[in-house]
Amino acid sequence: KAGVTQTPRYLIKTRGQQVTLSCSPISGHRSVSWYQQTPGQGLQFLFEYFSETQRNKGNFPGRFSGRQFSNSRSEMNVSTLELGDSALYLCASSLGQPSGNTIYFGEGSWLTVV
Amino acid sequence: GEDVEQSLFLSVREGDSSVINCTYTDSSSTYLYWYKQEPGAGLQLLTYIFSNMDMKQDQRLTVLLNKKDKHLSLRIADTQTGDSAIYFCAETFNTNAGKSTFGDGTTLTVKP
Repeated sequence: KAGVTQTPRYLIKTRGQQVTLSCSPISGHRSVSWYQQTPGQGLQFLFEYFSETQRNKGNFPGRFSGRQFSNSRSEMNVSTLELGDSALYLCASSLGQPSGNTIYFGEGSWLTVV
Repeated sequence: GEDVEQSLFLSVREGDSSVINCTYTDSSSTYLYWYKQEPGAGLQLLTYIFSNMDMKQDQRLTVLLNKKDKHLSLRIADTQTGDSAIYFCAETFNTNAGKSTFGDGTTLTVKP
């Protein structure tokens, strides 16, 4: 069974630009969560989508958004990039049900904003 | 509220046992996880324990849960240099599936 796949793995953007990151969950998983990892802030929860609906949201500004498609694939978008957005963005998938909530992570997308 | 704390660093000799500790604040957490992160990689799920369990063993890994003290530990037996990584403790709530709260991670260094 294929794991969680994130693309692209590495990217460099300029301040003010926008970026879209993609995540394909494990087959059969309907929940996709996104996390930001930085050395200073650790792992911070961005949002979670389940069956195309945002179900949970962390404390990030509106520049961070996401969506989920009918095949459970998810994208996250960051607009008007700032230097502080440089981070590893991790996607995780799970069944999203209380009885089957083990969360599996992808390898992440490394974003550098210059 | 939700808060997960870990000590930041642990150094052991190859062959020794490693014990990584974690405390959490919310007693209603349902799942408690241990993840391993190697340099440049994502998080690899090592093991997890349900909150109604006290202990779980999986090969070299032993997880102990003390619900009274809200304390979780991960013991790695016969630690190898390949175990050097950052280890994250995380909790998830039954009522909030899909969102996990992570500790800041414990950097384990295994010396030959």
